[in-house]
This record gives sequence, C-alpha cells and structure tokens, in this order.
Amino acid sequence: SQQGEEDPQALSIQEGENATMNCSYKTSINNLQWYRQNSGRGLVHLILIRSNEREKHSGRLRVTLDTSKKSSSLLITASRAADTASYFCATEYPFYGANSKLTFGKGITLSVRP
Amino acid sequence: DTGVSQDPRHKITKRGQNVTFRCDPISEHNRLYWYRQTLGQGPEFLTYFQNEAQLEKSRLLSDRFSAERPKGSFSTLEIQRTEQGDSAMYLCASSLFGVWANEKLFFGSGTQLSVL
Repeated sequence: SQQGEEDPQALSIQEGENATMNCSYKTSINNLQWYRQNSGRGLVHLILIRSNEREKHSGRLRVTLDTSKKSSSLLITASRAADTASYFCATEYPFYGANSKLTFGKGITLSVRP
Repeated sequence: DTGVSQDPRHKITKRGQNVTFRCDPISEHNRLYWYRQTLGQGPEFLTYFQNEAQLEKSRLLSDRFSAERPKGSFSTLEIQRTEQGDSAMYLCASSLFGVWANEKLFFGSGTQLSVL
C-alpha cells in the first residue's frame, strides 16, 4: 500500500506556537497533498506539492517535500484555537497512470489550547 | 461552484436493511470518489468513477456494496443487507483529473451511517 503515515498521531500545543506534522510514504509519488478535517465534517484541501517542488507556502502553512527521504512536513505557524482539527496527508497510488487515486494516512489530531 | 453535496447527512437503519446514499459532485469534475471513514482513522478508498465509468472497486468492498454514476453526473452508493460493521462516515469527493495525476479533491460533508 502507498498509504502515507503521519507523525505524531496527536499533537497538543499552545495558541501562538508553531505546529509541525510529518508524513512518510513508501514509493514514488507524483504529488503529495495535505487535508484538514474538523470533527464530523468532510475533508478540506490545504495544499498540494508536486514531486519536483521542495517547498511551498500558503498563508500560515509551509509544506516541504524530500523525495530522497520519502517524507513531507506541514508547518502551521502562529497557531490558533481554530486550527484544532485532524490533518491528513494523501498520496497518489500508483504514482503514475490513469488508475492513480489518492490514498490517505490515519491522520494527526492537533489540539491548540487557547 | 456550489461544492460537493451528499444526502442524507445522517442515516440510522436496522441490520439487514438496504440503504442508498447520493452524491452530487462539482459539475465540471470528471472524477468522483467514495471513501469510508471510521472513528480515528483516515478515509479508506472504496471506489471511483471517471465520468460514468467505474474504474476501480476496492477489494475491501463486498458484493453488498454497489455504486453507480449514470450519465457521469451524480452518484449513488447502495449497501444491501446492512451489517453493524458498515457503520461509518461515507465520504464523497470529486476532482478534475489532469494529466496522469489527481488535482485536489473536493469533499462533501459525508453521510454518517449507523446500523443498529
């Protein structure tokens, strides 16, 4: 399976601190995506990074991709209580071809304390 | 862009009954996915369509599950003879599949199924 594995499983930080979440995967990818899910709701796309990119920014989010280590990290700067949610990384499997589809890891539960 | 909508939001049924869920994707999207999610887990792939063609069905999906996407628009997911193990959130997502790779998925709010 290509399913990504997020680390840590749970993260609790104080409002204003930075949150770093990691994702590792097994085989070559075309792109890696991060999603967020609030309790009882659907997932919301946060950011996509392609295999030829090393870093990408979107507002308070920074994503890095290291294809040699098959890993990615998501950094949320200056966290807010509203960032409390589950975060998932998703990768294409197989990585190339008409049958590719996104597979998700088990997720990271982020709690931001006011 | 009105987003992906799913109906119903919640479904409670008795074991052995049949249930059907509906998903309306973003109109210009050619791909539609169904995922299943249980508490504390990530979304688990069930099946997906490219336009009206069902391209893949997960091996985890028993013969009690069937999905359709007539005319490449909305999709339905039917579960026959429901079992308690079918209790989960069923998520629908759509995307514009580009050159050999998915762009981002847009998810609906899901249908929470409880089998008593």
